[in-house]
Amino acid sequence: DVKVTQSSRYLVKRTGEKVFLECVQDMDHENMFWYRQDPGLGLRLIYFSYDVKMKEKGDIPEGYSVSREKKERFSLILESASTNQTSMYLCASSPPGNSNQPQHFGDGTRLSIL
Amino acid sequence: QKEVEQDPGPLSVPEGAIVSLNCTYSNSAFQYFMWYRQYSRKGPELLMYTYSSGNKEDGRFTAQVDKSSKYISLFIRDSQPSDSATYLCAMMGFQAGTALIFGKGTTLSVSS
Repeated sequence: DVKVTQSSRYLVKRTGEKVFLECVQDMDHENMFWYRQDPGLGLRLIYFSYDVKMKEKGDIPEGYSVSREKKERFSLILESASTNQTSMYLCASSPPGNSNQPQHFGDGTRLSIL
Repeated sequence: QKEVEQDPGPLSVPEGAIVSLNCTYSNSAFQYFMWYRQYSRKGPELLMYTYSSGNKEDGRFTAQVDKSSKYISLFIRDSQPSDSATYLCAMMGFQAGTALIFGKGTTLSVSS
């Protein structure tokens, strides 16, 4: 089974802090994704990566950056946390585009910015 | 018009009922269709994955795709309290590595 592991289930930070959310997958997937999920808004894509050191902006990249130094690890960075970034953050991974396989998700990090 | 529309519910049914969950979409380029189940405080779990039009059955679950109507459905037979969750439809275009487009999810409650 695919396993996507997010380092923290719950995290509380203060406004202005730099926050790191970590995600690791164990299936050697090329593609990795970061979403945020908010009530009434559903899942929204922040960033994704097709390969090591590659990144693409999603629908709501403002205030975020990402890092992918190794294939199995994809980090989401909140450069200067703000209260409107309080949310559930979900990481996902999938094989490369020509394999036609769906994404698999981690259990999420519930982040609160005070 | 939003790309994917899904009624948020909540939908409440008694145990044993047949449940029908639906999504409509506007982009005819979508080829792959998924249903995810999400329990409270957990990540989405892949439930069904289909390509193009037709039906796919897995135990008590049946996924149906009608590309001509741009309409997909998930049927749950003999619903159980353990089916209580939020169900998300998702879809993507030909290149499967691209990001999914999600519906906002339907919350289902099955009472015993």
